[in-house]
Amino acid sequence: KAGVTQTPRYLIKTRGQQVTLSCSPISGHRSVSWYQQTPGQGLQFLFEYFSETQRNKGNFPGRFSGRQFSNSRSEMNVSTLELGDSALYLCASSPDRGELSEAFFGQGTRLTVV
Amino acid sequence: EDKVVQSPLSLVVHEGDTVTLNCSYEVTNFRSLLWYKQEKKAPTFLFMLTSSGIEKKSGRLSSILDKKELFSILNITATQTGDSAIYLCAVKNQGGKLIFGQGTELSVKP
Repeated sequence: KAGVTQTPRYLIKTRGQQVTLSCSPISGHRSVSWYQQTPGQGLQFLFEYFSETQRNKGNFPGRFSGRQFSNSRSEMNVSTLELGDSALYLCASSPDRGELSEAFFGQGTRLTVV
Repeated sequence: EDKVVQSPLSLVVHEGDTVTLNCSYEVTNFRSLLWYKQEKKAPTFLFMLTSSGIEKKSGRLSSILDKKELFSILNITATQTGDSAIYLCAVKNQGGKLIFGQGTELSVKP
């Protein structure tokens, strides 16, 4: 079974630009969550999607948004990039929304904002 | 505010040593606790614990949860250099959100 696939792996953007990251979950998994990882803050929850609906949102500004498609693939978008948005963005997939479901992570997208 | 605290933050041991990593939590509506190993990029799933006192084991790694005292430990016996990584503890709450600790950076010297 293929794992969670995130694209692109690396990205360099300029302040003020916008960026879209993609996540394909494990086949059959319907829940996708996004996390931001930085050295100072660790792993922080961005949002969770299930059946094309955002079910849960973390404490991030409105510049961070996402969506999920009918095939469970998800994208997250960051607009008006700031230097502080430089981070590793990780996506996790779970079979369902169950609170007892394991979550499996992709390799991440390393975003650098210059 | 929900929080997960791991200790120690970093640890250096020699091959063959046994290590114990700690994770304590204060999370509203706890549902499960998960351990991950992160080497370069993707955190790799190790264990999910939901019930107190039941040890989960995989090779040289084992973990147990105490829901009364709100903590979990991850044990690694006979450590190898390949165990060098950051070990992350996360608690899943009622909404399914994972709340992560800061991680413990383990370095195993030959």
